[in-house]
Amino acid sequence: DAKTTQPPSMDCAEGRAANLPCNHSTISGNEYVYWYRQIHSQGPQYIIHGLKNNETNEMASLIITEDRKSSTLILPHATLRDTAVYYCIVRVLGYGGSQGNLIFGKGTKLSVKP
Amino acid sequence: DGGITQSPKYLFRKEGQNVTLSCEQNLNHDAMYWYRQDPGQGLRLIYYSQIVNDFQKGDIAEGYSVSREKKESFPLTVTSAQKNPTAFYLCASSFPTGPQHFGDGTRLSIL
Repeated sequence: DAKTTQPPSMDCAEGRAANLPCNHSTISGNEYVYWYRQIHSQGPQYIIHGLKNNETNEMASLIITEDRKSSTLILPHATLRDTAVYYCIVRVLGYGGSQGNLIFGKGTKLSVKP
Repeated sequence: DGGITQSPKYLFRKEGQNVTLSCEQNLNHDAMYWYRQDPGQGLRLIYYSQIVNDFQKGDIAEGYSVSREKKESFPLTVTSAQKNPTAFYLCASSFPTGPQHFGDGTRLSIL
């Protein structure tokens, strides 16, 4: 899987949008961008994924640049409960063989402050 | 509610003892996975199963064993051969082309 680069930490004011960047300059054409978050002592929570088009769901929006070398996860109105470590992962769709592995890096620790 | 249930939440093991961690899902997912997370680290894949009665080793399978007799269940046994078993164990499941969804984990400690 391609490697990703994320800032180690970010702060965001409650009620404001949180924009979390991720660089994946070596991403392959068939690799998707996935975002997960992990709140302390809980299992990772799936947020969103996409290939090349921007995606939106009830939790967040995912903006992928046209060259697909970077992406941004947007939490439109951050709350205190969004404080967590956010992981950006690139991998192929499906789970066959080594594709089954989700490689979590260090992620970005987002702190939402009142 | 649909989801993935891991039990127990906390588990203690004595030296030389095997312990089994439970993972059950009612999402009708085909694939199930076991990961290990150490403090401040990412996840490492132990075993995964794409269909019933079949499973493959991940990156750190030594000292662990699994079974997949039912679609809903994928128990992990930490054997006495695993010399450093203290960790946070996470179970996940997915459809073939869907994202993996995780349980809330089991924290294993050695007495």
